[in-house]
Amino acid sequence: EPEVTQTPSHQVTQMGQEVILRCVPISNHLYFYWYRQILGQKVEFLVSFYNNEISEKSEIFDDQFSVERPDGSNFTLKIRSTKLEDSAMYFCASRGTFLANTGELFFGEGSRLTVL
Amino acid sequence: KQEVTQIPAALSVPEGENLVLNCSFTDSAIYNLQWFRQDPGKGLTSLLLIQSSQREQTSGRLNASLDKSSGRSTLYIAASQPGDSATYLCAVIGGTYKYIFGTGTRLKVLA
Repeated sequence: EPEVTQTPSHQVTQMGQEVILRCVPISNHLYFYWYRQILGQKVEFLVSFYNNEISEKSEIFDDQFSVERPDGSNFTLKIRSTKLEDSAMYFCASRGTFLANTGELFFGEGSRLTVL
Repeated sequence: KQEVTQIPAALSVPEGENLVLNCSFTDSAIYNLQWFRQDPGKGLTSLLLIQSSQREQTSGRLNASLDKSSGRSTLYIAASQPGDSATYLCAVIGGTYKYIFGTGTRLKVLA
């Protein structure tokens, strides 16, 4: 069964360092997302990506964040200068269109980011 | 702005009970509603997807219903088992093309 894969599963970094989280969405999906979940809190939308550009971003997704689809398979989230409050689980998700694929959202297992 | 609320926040039941989890949303103009399961420290597993034209979906012991006009969905779990213990999340997608999540219901099924 196709799945969304994320690497690394856990990353520990020092405050101020750059972090790149990687995702391989399901191959025939067109819409890609990053969500964040701080421990014990709700799943929060960060950014959506379609047709090689950002469709929408939340107020959390400030200038320190960026996303990229460098090739036909990877989708990355970069945090330029990490802060303590960036510590969270970051989830990548993808979906197909409503017409062709029902629009069901599939998640990866997440990347746990710990900023010290 | 779409808001999704789940009640109860936590639930503890003895094994074998049938139970109902509730999800409500403020904007009824949705395309889909999806129920997920999340185990501690893990990702989100899709359980059921209900498209806007549908009223319910079933998978095994799970049944989800959708009432768009009232902004409500329920997830019914029959004959609960300890392995059902997890957090259950509902999410809706509408005109902004992003899924918005509720706060979840933490379920514990006691053996």
